[in-house]
Amino acid sequence: QKEVEQDPGPLSVPEGAIVSLNCTYSNSAFQYFMWYRQYSRKGPELLMYTYSSGNKEDGRFTAQVDKSSKYISLFIRDSQPSDSATYLCAMSSSSGNTPLVFGKGTRLSVIA
Amino acid sequence: EAQVTQNPRYLITVTGKKLTVTCSQNMNHEYMSWYRQDPGLGLRQIYYSMNVEVTDKGDVPEGYKVSRKEKRNFPLILESPSPNQTSLYFCASSLRRAVAYEQYFGPGTRLTVT
Repeated sequence: QKEVEQDPGPLSVPEGAIVSLNCTYSNSAFQYFMWYRQYSRKGPELLMYTYSSGNKEDGRFTAQVDKSSKYISLFIRDSQPSDSATYLCAMSSSSGNTPLVFGKGTRLSVIA
Repeated sequence: EAQVTQNPRYLITVTGKKLTVTCSQNMNHEYMSWYRQDPGLGLRQIYYSMNVEVTDKGDVPEGYKVSRKEKRNFPLILESPSPNQTSLYFCASSLRRAVAYEQYFGPGTRLTVT
């Protein structure tokens, strides 16, 4: 079993839809969870960062972490064509000297 | 403008011909790293550097070298490229290695080795 599993998609939704993107992981030591957004021909950019379990909201984006299920989610409300990108989850077991482990990314297309 | 730059953006080369991909950041970041991104495998770290003259291996270091002689620059060297190093490469930097510090990624270098 890979450390981080992420459905690669592609996921295609109509504009205005609520989008749910998910990752599962096997390492119970992971405590720091991130979502990156990567537009075509660009490098990833940090979208959301959460520590341990719970929810975090930033505008139309909500990140959820369920450590008991080893499952994290990113919800996008009122999705826009500009949200079309690949979304990568990433996680780490410590705040310091351990590398990030990335999911493979989910490609999202929001159709106008 | 705060940014990470990489050159070249696209490179096609032949097996065995040494090449260097440059990376430079203008944010005075201590931590820099190189990743490769492959379909079905995601982002994997090649090498990282905690500061000047301090480098260490990531998950997939074989076939690569790095150096960190100045804080702003972190070149990736392929001494004898092989076709399995065909990939999309990203340089990234952050203030410190800790996850609380956002990593800023460069625009990527698409390398093809024939």
